Amino acid sequence: EAEVAQSPRYKITEKSQAVAFWCDPISGHATLYWYRQILGQGPELLVQFQDESVVDDSQLPKDRFSAERLKGVDSTLKIQPAELGDSAMYLCASSLFRLASNEQFFGPGTRLTVL
Amino acid sequence: QQQVKQSPQSLIVQKGGISIINCAYENTAFDYFPWYQQFPGKGPALLIAIRPDVSEKKEGRFTISFNKSAKQFSLHIMDSQPGDSATYFCAAEGTGAGSYQLTFGKGTKLSVIP
Repeated sequence: EAEVAQSPRYKITEKSQAVAFWCDPISGHATLYWYRQILGQGPELLVQFQDESVVDDSQLPKDRFSAERLKGVDSTLKIQPAELGDSAMYLCASSLFRLASNEQFFGPGTRLTVL
Repeated sequence: QQQVKQSPQSLIVQKGGISIINCAYENTAFDYFPWYQQFPGKGPALLIAIRPDVSEKKEGRFTISFNKSAKQFSLHIMDSQPGDSATYFCAAEGTGAGSYQLTFGKGTKLSVIP
């Protein structure tokens, strides 16, 4: 069964350092999402891609966060510099296309701890 | 602004009992309401979903009840099993800023005890 792959699974870093997370969506899925999930809460959308284009990054803290999906396949989310409040699970999801009620498939996430 | 409110935060049910999780939404533009199940160390997975043109949807032991006028929906798990122990998230989706995006509740941690 096809799955969304993410790496690393865990990352510990010190504040002010740079971190990067990688996501490989299910093959053929045009839409890719990055979510942040703080412990005890639901996922919150950071950025959404349609192929290689950003369609929604309104909740991405652009002063320190960046995301790219250069060839419309895999994607990288970067934080520079990391802050203590960035400690969370970062989830990647993908769907066939951008449409309400189109099922999103989530990866296992990257758990980030900022010390 | 929390657009989807979920309760309870945690729930303990005995094996064979009924688990009920409730959600309420504010935005009348929402038109798709999925429930996700998340096990520790895993990402959320779609469990069941409903659109507002029906009041109930059943899939196996899982049922969504939807009340459009009250802007509320709930998940019922019949004959709850220890394997159902997980965190459940309700969500809602509609258009916003030209995109389709899910808004999640804060989650309910369900524990089914033998």
